[in-house]
Amino acid sequence: AAGVIQSPRHLIKEKRETATLKCYPIPRHDTVYWYQQGPGQDPQFLISFYEKMQSDKGSIPDRFSAQQFSDYHSELNMSSLELGDSALYFCASSSRDSGTDTQYFGPGTRLTVL
Amino acid sequence: DQQVKQNSPSLSVQEGRISILNCDYTNSMFDYFLWYKKYPAEGPTFLISISSIKDKNEDGRFTVFLNKSAKHLSLHIVPSQPGDSAVYFCAARETSGSRLTFGEGTQLTVNP
Repeated sequence: AAGVIQSPRHLIKEKRETATLKCYPIPRHDTVYWYQQGPGQDPQFLISFYEKMQSDKGSIPDRFSAQQFSDYHSELNMSSLELGDSALYFCASSSRDSGTDTQYFGPGTRLTVL
Repeated sequence: DQQVKQNSPSLSVQEGRISILNCDYTNSMFDYFLWYKKYPAEGPTFLISISSIKDKNEDGRFTVFLNKSAKHLSLHIVPSQPGDSAVYFCAARETSGSRLTFGEGTQLTVNP
């Protein structure tokens, strides 16, 4: 079965640079979620989109923005990167038509800010 | 404010025995609970879930129990296998389509 695809898998940036993370949800899933997992921490919710509209917003810095496109893929844009942004970034997708609306996660993008 | 707590950072079990992972929550608005398994450098893999209207859900070797009055859930793995060694996260959400709130995770090690 098709899974959530994230690219790139690894990204190294310098402080104050920008980064763009991409997420391709499972086919026919209508909701995309972004989470950030710092070292030794649990995943923290950043933002979500349902049918291309922002549906919820968590602890996402103002330097970050995201959107969901017409093909349902999503991009997380991160500007003015700081050392503390180094983390694993997970994308998850779900389908509200499925009944359980279980979130399935991608493999993550490991962002390292030097 | 940790709304979902997994008080045991680690658990070690012998192969073939039962593994019991525990999770407590404080938010009474949570109505759906999930367990994910995570290997290093991979994303969380969905294992099993339970709705707040149930007290038990079983899928093969995995059973999740929910005690709403105690705001407690547990994951039982029987029999445990070395391949089960991973970090297990408990997660909860308030409504369909809403964010997941995760516990801190429990590192399970199953010894051959």
